[in-house]
Amino acid sequence: DADVTQTPRNRITKTGKRIMLECSQTKGHDRMYWYRQDPGLGLRLIYYSFDVKDINKGEISDGYSVSRQAQAKFSLSLESAIPNQTALYFCATSDPTGWNEQFFGPGTRLTVL
Amino acid sequence: SQQGEEDPQALSIQEGENATMNCSYKTSINNLQWYRQNSGRGLVHLILIRSNEREKHSGRLRVTLDTSKKSSSLLITASRAADTASYFCATAPNAGGTSYGKLTFGQGTILTVHP
Repeated sequence: DADVTQTPRNRITKTGKRIMLECSQTKGHDRMYWYRQDPGLGLRLIYYSFDVKDINKGEISDGYSVSRQAQAKFSLSLESAIPNQTALYFCATSDPTGWNEQFFGPGTRLTVL
Repeated sequence: SQQGEEDPQALSIQEGENATMNCSYKTSINNLQWYRQNSGRGLVHLILIRSNEREKHSGRLRVTLDTSKKSSSLLITASRAADTASYFCATAPNAGGTSYGKLTFGQGTILTVHP
């Protein structure tokens, strides 16, 4: 079984709709991250959380919000989706006692029409 | 510009040849990591090198780090068609400050290995 799972894997939605992407992990890691990847670009950090009570903005947080429901769950919401949020979204986890090696989910491909 | 910048952007080689990818960065680091991404899938951690290390090996992978030049290279020896993927470097900053605990990724090198 995968250690980091993301749902849905693919989503097509319309401009203005509210979308939630979910991430669950069984690695027992405290740290969780949300990234987006656009064609030809690396990963850009949207939000990150170092524990359940700790939420931090990344470099591109505008238009997004997150919720850390439990150590194992970290959700990303697009309150009112717009076409330039069409991208591949990844959740990742890391162990704070390690060297910050990150473990990635399989990704969610989001298309906003 | 991004912390990690990779060169070349794309690399095409024949099976059996070696592939070398380079990464440059701007600020001081705690460690540098390399990840692999098969098309449209999640990234997979390959190897990590700490700032006090100069070279590290893992199977057919060899990573070097030159902190004076703020650069790293990833060498894949005796490449296989299955090595076809995108490769990303990521830097972890030193402890302390607002960047601690985060990785900054480069834009990646697309490697194609022809059978």
